[in-house]
Amino acid sequence: GAGVSQSPSNKVTEKGKDVELRCDPISGHTALYWYRQSLGQGLEFLIYFQGNSAPDKSGLPSDRFSAERTGGSVSTLTIQRTQQEDSAVYLCASSFYTGVSGEQYFGPGTRLTVT
Amino acid sequence: GENVEQHPSTLSVQEGDSAVIKCTYSDSASNYFPWYKQELGKGPQLIIDIRSNVGEKKDQRIAVTLNKTAKHFSLHITETQPEDSAVYFCAAGSGSARQLTFGSGTQLTVLP
Repeated sequence: GAGVSQSPSNKVTEKGKDVELRCDPISGHTALYWYRQSLGQGLEFLIYFQGNSAPDKSGLPSDRFSAERTGGSVSTLTIQRTQQEDSAVYLCASSFYTGVSGEQYFGPGTRLTVT
Repeated sequence: GENVEQHPSTLSVQEGDSAVIKCTYSDSASNYFPWYKQELGKGPQLIIDIRSNVGEKKDQRIAVTLNKTAKHFSLHITETQPEDSAVYFCAAGSGSARQLTFGSGTQLTVLP
């Protein structure tokens, strides 16, 4: 079946602009996660959704970052007033089970470059 | 919070040899330990995982071992092939955490 999809695959934006990144999880997966991966680094947790609610927003690096999920499916990650340090690959994952005991399946990521 | 350390950061092996990657974790409440393989330009792919109620799990050429007392776990790849070349990440998490904490990754290169 279809895996996790993300769009766009690449995004180049000017410093100060807002960007929206989209994630389509695997159908039926209730949990959705956003991670950030800087060049040559591990994955940094940003936020997770259980259904449409986000119980844990602790990983969002600043108030310029926000995320929403509608209909228990698609999620968007919005970065306002982008800065050069926001340049990274943003990865989305989904899982069927609540909690971390469910395997997380990742999308291909969105590579964001802020110039 | 949880902290996961992964070693080595780079590993080169000859085709056919074994490769071992090790991780340590800090939170004794962690009970789920997946390993991901990430190829260039792609998202991480789950290759094997282990839960804290077992000490070892094997899937063909890949095995993972867990030592809860010492808080470390390892990935073992036998009979390596060039297509095993990728970045491998370990992670740790628990039912209460809701998110995985990842290690910093190991770039594995299998030389033909």
